[in-house]
Amino acid sequence: AIRMTQSPSSFSASTGDRVTITCRASQGISSYLAWYQQKPGKAPKLLIYAASTLQSGVPSRFSGSGSGTDFTLTISCLQSEDFATYYCQQYYSYPPLTFGGGTKVEIK
Amino acid sequence: QVTLRESGPALVKPTQTLTLTCTFSGFSLSTSGMCVSWIRQPPGKALEWLALIDWDDDKYYSTSLKTRLTISKDTSKNQVVLTMTNMDPVDTATYYCARGAVVAAPYFDYWGQGTLVTVSS
Repeated sequence: AIRMTQSPSSFSASTGDRVTITCRASQGISSYLAWYQQKPGKAPKLLIYAASTLQSGVPSRFSGSGSGTDFTLTISCLQSEDFATYYCQQYYSYPPLTFGGGTKVEIK
Repeated sequence: QVTLRESGPALVKPTQTLTLTCTFSGFSLSTSGMCVSWIRQPPGKALEWLALIDWDDDKYYSTSLKTRLTISKDTSKNQVVLTMTNMDPVDTATYYCARGAVVAAPYFDYWGQGTLVTVSS
């Protein structure tokens, strides 16, 4: 199984900050990577697929990059509604589909 | 408008079999390439993929749980059913169903609200 490792697991930031979350795959996955945002008590929401393609309706302050084994999710100007947990997911090879362990973005 | 909704028991006893139903609308699971997955999340923990069924009735399972899982679909009812046998307290989690629009590249663009299943005697 392809293991997805996110870093950091959590951090604090302020509104207006530029933040970057990293996701590393245990083997190359080309660009078969998605990012999700999850708020407490809610289902995950798709933000980005194919490593860098923004899902319809997602604000342009979110962006994704990377290919192979190393990927990043960047929020260019953190808004109050962006405080949440973020997950990456590989879909290059399955079964199994695999998610990262999550990165919680908290208010500083 | 695509929607998915999970239903099933909120509480099951250890060793029992869990049956969850995902009822969806706004798309058809007979459409080429379409798929539906089950994903779970223990309280305070990360997401874990469980199973996937596609438009062609191909089925895929978590490596670690495959002996306990069965996924099936009823296209006429727009439903996908997951059964998990021999439930244990560690299976306590919120269970989600989610749509993948491309089975060859299954990321999930629509999710149900989730249903919390507690395993306890």
